[in-house]
This record gives sequence, C-alpha cells and structure tokens, in this order.
Amino acid sequence: GDSVTQMEGPVTLSEEAFLTINCTYTATGYPSLFWYVQYPGEGLQLLLKATKADDKGSNKGFEATYRKETTSFHLEKGSVQVSDSAVYFCALSNSGGYQKVTFGTGTKLQVIP
Amino acid sequence: GAGVSQSPRYKVAKRGQDVALRCDPISGHVSLFWYQQALGQGPEFLTYFQNEAQLDKSGLPSDRFFAERPEGSVSTLKIQRTQQEDSAVYLCASSLRRPSGRNSGANVLTFGAGSRLTVL
Repeated sequence: GDSVTQMEGPVTLSEEAFLTINCTYTATGYPSLFWYVQYPGEGLQLLLKATKADDKGSNKGFEATYRKETTSFHLEKGSVQVSDSAVYFCALSNSGGYQKVTFGTGTKLQVIP
Repeated sequence: GAGVSQSPRYKVAKRGQDVALRCDPISGHVSLFWYQQALGQGPEFLTYFQNEAQLDKSGLPSDRFFAERPEGSVSTLKIQRTQQEDSAVYLCASSLRRPSGRNSGANVLTFGAGSRLTVL
C-alpha cells in the first residue's frame, strides 16, 4: 500500500540556518504530494503541494519538488525563523477513488534564536 | 462555518466508558475523514465519508469504533468500552473534492483542531 517515510526529528537549527527535511514515498500510480504543518496547540494545515512530477510547491519561503525518479519530496527553506518551529508532515494522496491521504510520522523542527 | 470544528477538545474517560466525538465540517464539503494521531506519530486513517455514505472504514482498529454522518454534514466518531490504547488525538478533516477520475486535482484537506482523548 501507499506509504511515506520522513526523517526523524527533532531537528534543531539556529535562526537563519538552511533547512532540509527529507521525505520519500511509495505509491502506485500518480499520487499528489503534500507538506502539512502543525504549530504548537493548533491543527494540521496545508503548507504546500505538488500534483505531478517536477512540480515545485512553495509557500512562506518553503519549497519542495516532486521527484518521481527518486520518489522524493524533500522540504527546504533557505533561512528559518523561530516562528517556523512546528511539526512537519509529508503526505500523499492516491490518484484514484476518493484520494485517501497517507501521512508520514512527522518531523519536529525547533529553531533557536 | 469558516473551518472544521471538533468537540470536545479534551476528553478524559475511565476505561470501559463510551465516548462520542463530534466533527462539524466546512459547509458544502463532500468528503470527510477521521484520523487517529498517537503521541509523536503521524495521523493514521480511520474512515472516510462521501456525503452520508461511509465508503471506507478499513482503518477502524476494532469493532468498538463506529462512525456516522447521517445527514451528510456533522459526523460523530463513537468509541465503545474505551481502552487505554485508544488514548490519542482524533482528527477530523473535510474537503470539497468528490471522487473523480485520475488525478484531476489534489485532495487538499482542512483539519479541525482535534479531540484529545485520554483513557485512564
């Protein structure tokens, strides 16, 4: 079945450091890929998405590129801020039927001043 | 409503008690999902509704778990005879998408804040 594997955390970075959170997936067909973010005390919210190979999703300075050849969707940001501290979830939705969304286990990011 | 609303936000139950968790999705959203999120883990799929029809309940961990959406809007997740392993955050999400053919657009979910269940 579909699955998502992402790097374990926690990841601790200094403010303005470069961020990469790795994500790889296993799926049949042509899934859509997502990054969701969960800020402390809040619900999950969509950060960015990509629907086909080579698409780049971007939002709030974060980027991720859909790489079909490596089945990856790594999240990057050039300069993190304290306000980026949160848990980040990589996810995919299958391409048929009702498009069930499958999540990775999450990576906690802590940015220190 | 403006977002997905879940209640209660926190529930403490004694082992063996029944609980009911409510989800009020965004008005007009066809699809509704329930997920279970254990501490430090990602959300795990429980069940899916398209309007009032429960099309997939393959993620429900046991027959103690039951979900309904009788009028195609509000949904209730019921857990009977709760056990300690049921302690988790239960997330509800809705989306506008209807099932379609191959990948005509991404299924973007809007999540509620969750209901945290603690079973003592």
